[in-house]
Amino acid sequence: AQRVTQPEKLLSVFKGAPVELKCNYSYSGSPELFWYVQYSRQRLQLLLRHISRESIKGFTADLNKGETSFHLKKPFAQEEDSAMYYCALSSGNTPLVFGKGTRLSVIA
Amino acid sequence: NAGVTQTPKFQVLKTGQSMTLQCAQDMNHNSMYWYRQDPGMGLRLIYYSASEGTTDKGEVPNGYNVSRLNKREFSLRLESAAPSQTSVYFCASTRGTSGGRGQYFGPGTRLTVT
Repeated sequence: AQRVTQPEKLLSVFKGAPVELKCNYSYSGSPELFWYVQYSRQRLQLLLRHISRESIKGFTADLNKGETSFHLKKPFAQEEDSAMYYCALSSGNTPLVFGKGTRLSVIA
Repeated sequence: NAGVTQTPKFQVLKTGQSMTLQCAQDMNHNSMYWYRQDPGMGLRLIYYSASEGTTDKGEVPNGYNVSRLNKREFSLRLESAAPSQTSVYFCASTRGTSGGRGQYFGPGTRLTVT
C-alpha cells in the first residue's frame, strides 16, 4: 500500500534561514510526487510536481528514489511562506495519497 | 473559470440532523473527490468518483453518502450527523483518475456538529 510520511508536524525557522520540509514515501512502483500548500484558511494549491522539475516561489523538490524521499527546500525563508504543506503521491489509477502535513512557521 | 466551488461555506448542525454538501467544477474534469481535514490527521479521502456514473469509498466513508449528479457536480450527504463529523470538508477534481496532473481544490466547508 502507498504511504506518505511527513515526520514533522511543525517546523519553525527564522526569516532568511534555509527551509527543508521532509517527505518520505513507500511505493513499489514509479510514483508521481507532489507538494501542496495551504495558506491560512484557504484552499489547497498545487505547489510542485516532481515531473516538472520546476521552482515555484523559490521552492524546489527532488525525487530521490534510493531514499524514497521528496523533500521540499528553499534557501531563504520568507514570512509569506508560513503555511501548511502537504506531500502527496500518485500511483496508477488510484487517488492521491496525502501525508499528514507540516506547518511551517517563519519567524521575523 | 470558477474552478471548483463548494456550498455552503459554513454550517452548524445538531446531532442527528442531515445535510448535503454541494460541489461543482467547470474544468471538464473526469474525477472528483471529497476529503475531510482534521488537525493532526491531514487530508483523508471520504469518497471519490473516477468518472461520471461511478463512485468508490475512500479511507473514511462511514456516515457519508455521495452522488455524482453529472460530470460537473459531486455531492456529499450526511444522513445523521455526529460530533465526530465536525471537520473541514474539501472537494477536489482532476482530469485523470490518479491525479497525476494535480488536483484542484474547492474553498472548503467548515462543518460543526453539536
